[in-house]
Amino acid sequence: ETGVTQTPRHLVMGMTNKKSLKCEQHLGHNAMYWYKQSAKKPLELMFVYSLEERVENNSVPSRFSPECPNSSHLFLHLHTLQPEDSALYLCASSQGQVLGEKLFFGSGTQLSVL
Amino acid sequence: AQKVTQAQTEISVVEKEDVTLDCVYETRDTTYYLFWYKQPPSGELVFLIRRNSFDEQNEISGRYSWNFQKSTSSFNFTITASQVVDSAVYFCALSEASGGSYIPTFGRGTSLIVHP
Repeated sequence: ETGVTQTPRHLVMGMTNKKSLKCEQHLGHNAMYWYKQSAKKPLELMFVYSLEERVENNSVPSRFSPECPNSSHLFLHLHTLQPEDSALYLCASSQGQVLGEKLFFGSGTQLSVL
Repeated sequence: AQKVTQAQTEISVVEKEDVTLDCVYETRDTTYYLFWYKQPPSGELVFLIRRNSFDEQNEISGRYSWNFQKSTSSFNFTITASQVVDSAVYFCALSEASGGSYIPTFGRGTSLIVHP
């Protein structure tokens, strides 16, 4: 079983749809992250949760709504997305939020917004 | 200004060639960490190495080696005798103490293509 699991692997949605991305970590970590990876752009940090509290929100549009019900699960709820939101969405976890902590990533959800 | 610069967008080599991926970073902190991650076609970034700012010793792990030079703010990654399985996007990242969040800042990545 991989450490960080993301579902679905691929998602195609229309601009008026509502969908959710799911991330689950089996590593006993306390911090979880959402990153957006677009073509030709650096990895963009979207949200960070530490001990189930949101500690970082990088000016992400409100059409993205994160949820962290417990330290093992992280969701990203999507609604009324735009075509420019098409990207690979990566979830990651770390033991905590300590300097030098390494991140463990999932395989991502490839999102296409039509 | 970017904190982590990976100037090489894409590198193409033939198997068995040596290849060096460059990483230049910028920080005012004296305490920081540098990382390399590998992103194969499957998508997940895989941790390769972490160095703290007080340890400039170069490191070798099999065909992989890393050259950390504070004088030039560089943390370069060399693959010796490259193989097709090394084809991936490689990311350099910096984690600083200032700001308090410690979350790594990633470079844009270097896509390495190793041809058989």
